[in-house]
Amino acid sequence: NAGVTQTPKFQVLKTGQSMTLQCAQDMNHNSMYWYRQDPGMGLRLIYYSASEGTTDKGEVPNGYNVSRLNKREFSLRLESAAPSQTSVYFCASSAIEGEQFFGPGTRLTVL
Amino acid sequence: AQSVTQPDIHITVSEGASLELRCNYSYGATPYLFWYVQSPGQGLQLLLKYFSGDTLVQGIKGFEAEFKRSQSSFNLRKPSVHWSDAAEYFCAVGGGGTYKYIFGTGTRLKVLA
Repeated sequence: NAGVTQTPKFQVLKTGQSMTLQCAQDMNHNSMYWYRQDPGMGLRLIYYSASEGTTDKGEVPNGYNVSRLNKREFSLRLESAAPSQTSVYFCASSAIEGEQFFGPGTRLTVL
Repeated sequence: AQSVTQPDIHITVSEGASLELRCNYSYGATPYLFWYVQSPGQGLQLLLKYFSGDTLVQGIKGFEAEFKRSQSSFNLRKPSVHWSDAAEYFCAVGGGGTYKYIFGTGTRLKVLA
């Protein structure tokens, strides 16, 4: 089992560019999550998907959109990147109210 | 308001010394509690979890944590720290019918040889 995979691992964007971060899990989990991690701020929830076909906003959703493509895949899109979105992005999945399993992260720099 | 507080941003201990990382939470429902560890440049790995039952839980790498409902705490302990334990540690809370998890801001552990 690969667990949770994320692509790409690193990305540099210019202000205003768009991109999609991909996430996939092979653990048959219902719930999937996108977090951003910034120094001194821990993990902040951007969006989550409790189950296939549903998505909900987290703590910091502005500037992002998500798609739960199927049970395995949950993508995060930045439509017009801003320097404030420079961060490390983590995808996670879980069974209902179980522990979360995290991907390796995507380091995004917006110039 | 629901929150998780890790009051220590940085902790430095000598190799072989004991360790306790503090975690306090505020949560409206019965909490599910977690400790994760993050090595530099890596994702988060689960150390241990508490759902119910025995309030002292054992995890991987020799870690344990004790749930104290009266103090709203879930402190992480290790009797003897190894240099490889140097990492950042996150406490998290969830459960009670919500799909959301709340993370603390983390404690960075440094281990002196």
